[in-house]
Amino acid sequence: EDKVVQSPLSLVVHEGDTVTLNCSYEVTNFRSLLWYKQEKKAPTFLFMLTSSGIEKKSGRLSSILDKKELFSILNITATQTGDSAIYLCASANSNSGYALNFGKGTSLLVTP
Amino acid sequence: DAGVIQSPRHEVTEMGQEVTLRCKPISGHNSLFWYRQTMMRGLELLIYFNNNVPIDDSGMPEDRFSAKMPNASFSTLKIQPSEPRDSAVYFCASSPGPGRGEGETQYFGPGTRLLVL
Repeated sequence: EDKVVQSPLSLVVHEGDTVTLNCSYEVTNFRSLLWYKQEKKAPTFLFMLTSSGIEKKSGRLSSILDKKELFSILNITATQTGDSAIYLCASANSNSGYALNFGKGTSLLVTP
Repeated sequence: DAGVIQSPRHEVTEMGQEVTLRCKPISGHNSLFWYRQTMMRGLELLIYFNNNVPIDDSGMPEDRFSAKMPNASFSTLKIQPSEPRDSAVYFCASSPGPGRGEGETQYFGPGTRLLVL
């Protein structure tokens, strides 16, 4: 059975800190790994990663995938209170019709 | 684009009543997904459709739950009869689908917050 495990489960940092969120996966017929941000409403798409070692970047957020060690990290630099959210990691399996298997998420709180 | 549209946004009902949740996917997307989210269990996939055909309903909790997709622009999730343990946020998501670039990238609707008393 495919598994996605995120760590830590929760994190509290001060504004301006840099944080690293972790996602490890066990997926048969791995296709891609996706990151989402969920504030008080619906998850919103951040990144999709398919190739090892290629960093995807959007502003202060960046993510990278290691297909050999089966993990991904999401980095947020110079955190702001608006970064407070649950960050979800999900894997896509080529055999599952592109359904996503989500981890339990990391709850990030950025304090002023 | 309006994004994924869900209705109602909130629903409060009594145990035993029928509940119908509705979803309109993003135009042109071929895949549609229904999820349930609770604090205890996180985000769970209930069922998904490709080209209006149900592909995997193994996540549907029990026979009280059913889902349909009569056409490419509309889907329903029905709970009959509802129970208090069904209280959760129900999300609908759509994606371009298999065979299309980044076809697995799902876009979520705002969700329906269901409370069964």
